[in-house]
Amino acid sequence: DAGITQSPRHKVTETGTPVTLRCHQTENHRYMYWYRQDPGHGLRLIHYSYGVKDTDKGEVSDGYSVSRSKTEDFLLTLESATSSQTSVYFCAISDAQGAKAFFGQGTRLTVV
Amino acid sequence: EDQVTQSPEALRLQEGESSSLNCSYTVSGLRGLFWYRQDPGKGPEFLFTLYSAGEEKEKERLKATLTKKESFLHITAPKPEDSATYLCAVQEGGGPGGYNKLIFGAGTRLAVHP
Repeated sequence: DAGITQSPRHKVTETGTPVTLRCHQTENHRYMYWYRQDPGHGLRLIHYSYGVKDTDKGEVSDGYSVSRSKTEDFLLTLESATSSQTSVYFCAISDAQGAKAFFGQGTRLTVV
Repeated sequence: EDQVTQSPEALRLQEGESSSLNCSYTVSGLRGLFWYRQDPGKGPEFLFTLYSAGEEKEKERLKATLTKKESFLHITAPKPEDSATYLCAVQEGGGPGGYNKLIFGAGTRLAVHP
């Protein structure tokens, strides 16, 4: 199994509070991604990184920010959580373009 | 608009009853098509990558095929342990940093009963 660890695995937070999710990899892969998965939808890309300090927006980036200060860590921050951000969040990594992505186990976030 | 559509949404099979899952796509500049398996409460697990029409890949009871408009995941003589959600994703190119956008379908939930 690819070395990807997401933390926390579960979190309940209140509307309006900031939340940070962490993805840690031990594979030294260049590319890292944050997705959200909701019933009836496919996995949707939030943000991705193509190197240290190199990030870009995905299709559902509003309300989210990311940072990557080290190759192994990719942080996803919800500045002010809303109920619409209740979801399961997955981190993924890949080592090259066109290469298969490996996914973490997911973080279930509930915003009440 | 680029789209990936999987059908059926859900499929119930008896053990040993072969069937196929469909993934149709409308993207420009296909770079690759990926199949993943996802078990409840877990992240997607990679199964196959297909790059060009006519290509086929096999793994145990699974066989993936690709045409210019769709891909099929054929399941031969399935067992209960094949029960999972199967996700299809297509990759198109042209993003910053050489990023190739990956677009996922909503998945097919497969249940195989003894």
